[in-house]
Amino acid sequence: SAVISQKPSRDICQRGTSLTIQCQVDSQVTMMFWYRQQPGQSLTLIATANQGSEATYESGFVIDKFPISRPNLTFSTLTVSNMSPEDSSIYLCSVGGGGQNYGYTFGSGTRLTVV
Amino acid sequence: DQQVKQNSPSLSVQEGRISILNCDYTNSMFDYFLWYKKYPAEGPTFLISISSIKDKNEDGRFTVFLNKSAKHLSLHIVPSQPGDSAVYFCAAIVAAGNKLTFGGGTRVLVKP
Repeated sequence: SAVISQKPSRDICQRGTSLTIQCQVDSQVTMMFWYRQQPGQSLTLIATANQGSEATYESGFVIDKFPISRPNLTFSTLTVSNMSPEDSSIYLCSVGGGGQNYGYTFGSGTRLTVV
Repeated sequence: DQQVKQNSPSLSVQEGRISILNCDYTNSMFDYFLWYKKYPAEGPTFLISISSIKDKNEDGRFTVFLNKSAKHLSLHIVPSQPGDSAVYFCAAIVAAGNKLTFGGGTRVLVKP
């Protein structure tokens, strides 16, 4: 299965600023997924990023707040813009979903705290 | 609308005994079900999955059972080990959409 390197692992940011999270995959993948896990909550899909096209956002998430780039088949970034304390969460990227078991691989996550 | 639910937020079990984690779903279009394990400061790790056309899948100490008529699945861990202490997430997918829908998670503590 693919190996994902996600950066940064954690950050503390001032409200009103933006943070860009990076995910690098060791193999070419068609789709990359970005999830958010709010404190004590489950994982919620933010958007699906395909190379060469605009990301597809889930209900409740908008491009202005969470712009995504997908410049090639091994890399993607998620930016959390104009942050507020409510954005404090763990953000995770994911790839996979193919094969017999649909086993998606996740990055190690970015723990974001907005103060 | 929470389509995948894990009604037990936590579970404590003695080492060597069986851990049973439960998951309920509402969307009959789900085609595949997966279990993930998550340690603190790490991403979720794929554990085991089951197709909707099966009722059981086994991999070593882990067995997943699916009761499609009841829209219920369970994960059995036998025997439980201290290293199994983690948060377990149930997830489901409608194959064509490639989108994982997660349950709320169950925190498992295995006591030595």
